[in-house]
Amino acid sequence: ETGVTQSPTHLIKTRGQQVTLRCSSQSGHNTVSWYQQALGQGPQFIFQYYREEENGRGNFPPRFSGLQFPNYSSELNVNALELDDSALYLCASSSRDGTGELFFGEGSRLTVL
Amino acid sequence: AQSVTQLDSHVSVSEGTPVLLRCNYSSSYSPSLFWYVQHPNKGLQLLLKYTSAATLVKGINGFEAEFKKSETSFHLTKPSAHMSDAAEYFCVVPTSGTYKYIFGTGTRLKVLA
Repeated sequence: ETGVTQSPTHLIKTRGQQVTLRCSSQSGHNTVSWYQQALGQGPQFIFQYYREEENGRGNFPPRFSGLQFPNYSSELNVNALELDDSALYLCASSSRDGTGELFFGEGSRLTVL
Repeated sequence: AQSVTQLDSHVSVSEGTPVLLRCNYSSSYSPSLFWYVQHPNKGLQLLLKYTSAATLVKGINGFEAEFKKSETSFHLTKPSAHMSDAAEYFCVVPTSGTYKYIFGTGTRLKVLA
């Protein structure tokens, strides 16, 4: 069974740039969620995708957007990066027919200078 | 609205002594509750989950938690700490439909030799 994988693991951007983070969901999972974890904080829900459509969104501005592909992998895009976007971005997959448990990847650490 | 409060941001114990990490929840109905662990530079791993089947829940690595409705608590315990238990622990409540997790602010556990 393949777990959740994320890429890249680390990246550095400057203010105003755009970034794309990628996630491959665990085999058999059809739902992907994205979380932002700032240093010293708990993860905050960004949004969730199910069957290629956004299915729930947290308190994040529209410059945070995403996609889910037919193979259930997903992308998180952030435009017009701000310093406060520096964080660990976690992807989690789950199955709608399952227990609701989320399986997390190891994250992508974004630093905005 | 649902929420969780982790009462200690840092806990230090000696190896071989008991561990207690405290979590209180707020919910308008009987919730599901989870504990996740995050080791340095790693993703989040599910330790245990309460889904109303039994109030005392056993998890991995010797951890357990007891759901106490009268106290709105879901504290995590372990009889004897091991050095490998040093990590960040998160108490989590999923929202209705389980599509969004609400994380506590985390408790960093330090285990002293």
